[in-house]
Amino acid sequence: GESVGLHLPTLSVQEGDNSIINCAYSNSASDYFIWYKQESGKGPQFIIDIRSNMDKRQGQRVTVLLNKTVKHLSLQIAATQPGDSAVYFCAENIGSNFGNEKLTFGTGTRLTIIP
Amino acid sequence: GAGVSQSPRYKVAKRGQDVALRCDPISGHVSLFWYQQALGQGPEFLTYFQNEAQLDKSGLPSDRFFAERPEGSVSTLKIQRTQQEDSAVYLCASSHTPGLATDTQYFGPGTRLTVL
Repeated sequence: GESVGLHLPTLSVQEGDNSIINCAYSNSASDYFIWYKQESGKGPQFIIDIRSNMDKRQGQRVTVLLNKTVKHLSLQIAATQPGDSAVYFCAENIGSNFGNEKLTFGTGTRLTIIP
Repeated sequence: GAGVSQSPRYKVAKRGQDVALRCDPISGHVSLFWYQQALGQGPEFLTYFQNEAQLDKSGLPSDRFFAERPEGSVSTLKIQRTQQEDSAVYLCASSHTPGLATDTQYFGPGTRLTVL
């Protein structure tokens, strides 16, 4: 959903359960997508990425799904732990005439793990 | 190895003051990015360097914002005549391989700027 000011979408999950965070991206020409985790007072930390020629990619406890038809990304975190509490952003690479890799970030979702 | 570092971590400025924010990228990283993150929002692109060349400054919000990377390593983001709307966290990121869309961008901790 949309966020306005401080009102990030939030998700609360019991420790040990799985969580799914969703993201809608904007540009059908984007070909690279990344999930970042941002803890309070820190910069975004890379979690996992996926190219547009894939629809699923797995990492350690994390899986990213890409649905290009509806321009939708999701991040699945298995067996959540207290350290997973953070704000999660999806980002897309739109590129430019310069061929640089500037990223466009989504709104963000605040994930809270309940002990 | 060391990650991206930024200084100062916090800066309070009176409206109208000039500020300078520093970024030390990961050693050997060719690409350097500045982003602005308002409270409760995702980072927004400001500008991009490849070595010392500023190849994209399309995200700079006004001509009060200026960035440089004279020797292709450390970068400085300068904001002149700061306004309250400049209050945000300024993030620096670096990546190793220019032109490679899948090259991971590593972010620093950011500088939180508060303009009173």
